[in-house]
Amino acid sequence: QVQLQQSGPGLVKPSQILSLTCAISGDSVSSNSAAWSWIRQSPSRGLEWLGRTYYRSRWYDDYAVSVKSRITINPDTSKNQFSLQLNSVTPDDTAVYYCARYSTNWYAFDIWGQGTMVTVSS
Amino acid sequence: QSALTQPPSVSGSPGQSVTISCTGTSSDIGSYNRVSWYQQPPGTAPKLMIYEVSTRPSGVPDRFSGSKSGSTASLTISGLQAEDEADYYCALYTSSSTSVFGGGTKLTVL
Repeated sequence: QVQLQQSGPGLVKPSQILSLTCAISGDSVSSNSAAWSWIRQSPSRGLEWLGRTYYRSRWYDDYAVSVKSRITINPDTSKNQFSLQLNSVTPDDTAVYYCARYSTNWYAFDIWGQGTMVTVSS
Repeated sequence: QSALTQPPSVSGSPGQSVTISCTGTSSDIGSYNRVSWYQQPPGTAPKLMIYEVSTRPSGVPDRFSGSKSGSTASLTISGLQAEDEADYYCALYTSSSTSVFGGGTKLTVL
């Protein structure tokens, strides 16, 4: 049974870095049939896909245009996890952040983390 | 603003059927079968209900079905039950290797 466990702070100050980690159990971050993704949800934006990392003989990543200049998603094979780093945050980045497994066989997000409410405030 | 358009709300009585639409364009939904649907009760993470337009993952009741016509995908819930009350989202994997979600539809069971 695949599970994703998120961790990270729930409060970040404006202009600082938002960092979250998603630990994977029951699958591998190097899986050839998955892409490891971050998605956020807020009342103003709804569900917003932020980006993903995946391994296909080498590591790739894709990011949403809306955050491309500020985001990095990194795999950590030693800990079987992946992370989100979002720079220069503003109150508009306040949201519930989810990590999710994207099945490239199904073209769907089949496993989700529990979600982390992140508030950007001084 | 979402690239996929869903009605903000739908409602139905127990036992009835409801359909939630998800409208894109001929170049996304109209060209690919990479549409998925998610159920999200309040305070929980989304749950995959349908993938590749019409396929149910193991464990999802057959009361949930998906279809597509032109640039519109649809989720139909038949034999509506109180436990179906939730927000529902469609999603699409795009030709530019990104994903996009619809704005969500709140289903109320009367």
